[in-house]
Amino acid sequence: GQSLEQPSEVTAVEGAIVQINCTYQTSGFYGLSWYQQHDGGAPTFLSYNALDGLEETGRFSSFLSRSDSYGYLLLQELQMKDSASYFCAVSVYSGGYQKVTFGTGTKLQVIP
Amino acid sequence: AAGVIQSPRHLIKEKRETATLKCYPIPRHDTVYWYQQGPGQDPQFLISFYEKMQSDKGSIPDRFSAQQFSDYHSELNMSSLELGDSALYFCASSDRDSSYEQYFGPGTRLTVT
Repeated sequence: GQSLEQPSEVTAVEGAIVQINCTYQTSGFYGLSWYQQHDGGAPTFLSYNALDGLEETGRFSSFLSRSDSYGYLLLQELQMKDSASYFCAVSVYSGGYQKVTFGTGTKLQVIP
Repeated sequence: AAGVIQSPRHLIKEKRETATLKCYPIPRHDTVYWYQQGPGQDPQFLISFYEKMQSDKGSIPDRFSAQQFSDYHSELNMSSLELGDSALYFCASSDRDSSYEQYFGPGTRLTVT
């Protein structure tokens, strides 16, 4: 099976930078995704890393180290609207399908 | 751009009743996923379908069943409802080879009384 670990809660100040870490244990690893979910809303896809290194999308960046089974989501120039839960998710190939397992989520609170 | 459509958005049922949730994926997406999210919890994967065939199964109770139809829409059927089934049910869709990028619908909020 797959297991993922990420901090349950993180608090950061508006305008600052925050890093949300994710470690995983799985076989057949294919890639790591990140999703954002505001309270009462649906998860929305943020980024995906299949290869080692950093992927940048605006204020958000995601990093993957396959050798360390580790990734992180970096949020820069934090805004109040970034307060949400952030989920990492591993993709694996199993039974001919690409399957995704979500982590338990990190609740980010941005304070003034 | 078209998004995933779920209906109904809200549903109130009594214990032991049945409920049917519908999901219409993004056009040209061939894979559909169902998730259950209880209050303050992370989404729990229930089941997925690719080309009308079940592709993966998660923590779906035996009282629940689902299927995907020829037009790719999917229905989640829930019977003998229990109070603990009260949750937000999300449907998501993706292209088969891009399951890492799932597009979620707005969810159906089911309340069992």
